[in-house]
Amino acid sequence: EDQVTQSPEALRLQEGESSSLNCSYTVSGLRGLFWYRQDPGKGPEFLFTLYSAGEEKEKERLKATLTKKESFLHITAPKPEDSATYLCAVRFMNRDDKIIFGKGTRLHILP
Amino acid sequence: KAGVTQTPRYLIKTRGQQVTLSCSPISGHRSVSWYQQTPGQGLQFLFEYFSETQRNKGNFPGRFSGRQFSNSRSEMNVSTLELGDSALYLCASSSPTGGTDEQYFGPGTRLTVT
Repeated sequence: EDQVTQSPEALRLQEGESSSLNCSYTVSGLRGLFWYRQDPGKGPEFLFTLYSAGEEKEKERLKATLTKKESFLHITAPKPEDSATYLCAVRFMNRDDKIIFGKGTRLHILP
Repeated sequence: KAGVTQTPRYLIKTRGQQVTLSCSPISGHRSVSWYQQTPGQGLQFLFEYFSETQRNKGNFPGRFSGRQFSNSRSEMNVSTLELGDSALYLCASSSPTGGTDEQYFGPGTRLTVT
């Protein structure tokens, strides 16, 4: 069964302490991998789309990378305002273009 | 450009009732998807519409249905509500003909079934 797994479930970091979030998927035929940020009580906010292994995208303190079976969201020198739930989603070619979301990583940055 | 809007934002219903939620996509977006979000299951895909046609459907019972109008606005309906239907219902729009797949989400409708 196609799956998208995110780890860790939750992460607490000190301000300025860099780390990485992981998103792994178990299917071939990736059409696209998406990262979103979700704040409490709000809808997810689009961050990045990655299409092929080796691709990288950056935005401020965030950098997303993609390999054949997983993606990483690297957070460099995070600030308290980076605290949120980060969601990964995958659109598969052989699933009628359906999108499957991971359950997210809850990130908390301590000042 | 205005974002995705959803109405109502909050709703309280009783078991057995039915409910209709509305979504207005970003201007020019012709694809609308619906998701159910719960703490235990996360975001689960309900269905996707493009140009008034249902393209995909998730693994939800037939009590969940939707439609899309010619102006791309979409509605979803849940009949015979159950306690387990309490969730945040999110709508997302995208412009697949624009060459990108990213979806833009609305703020959601928080449905509570009592």
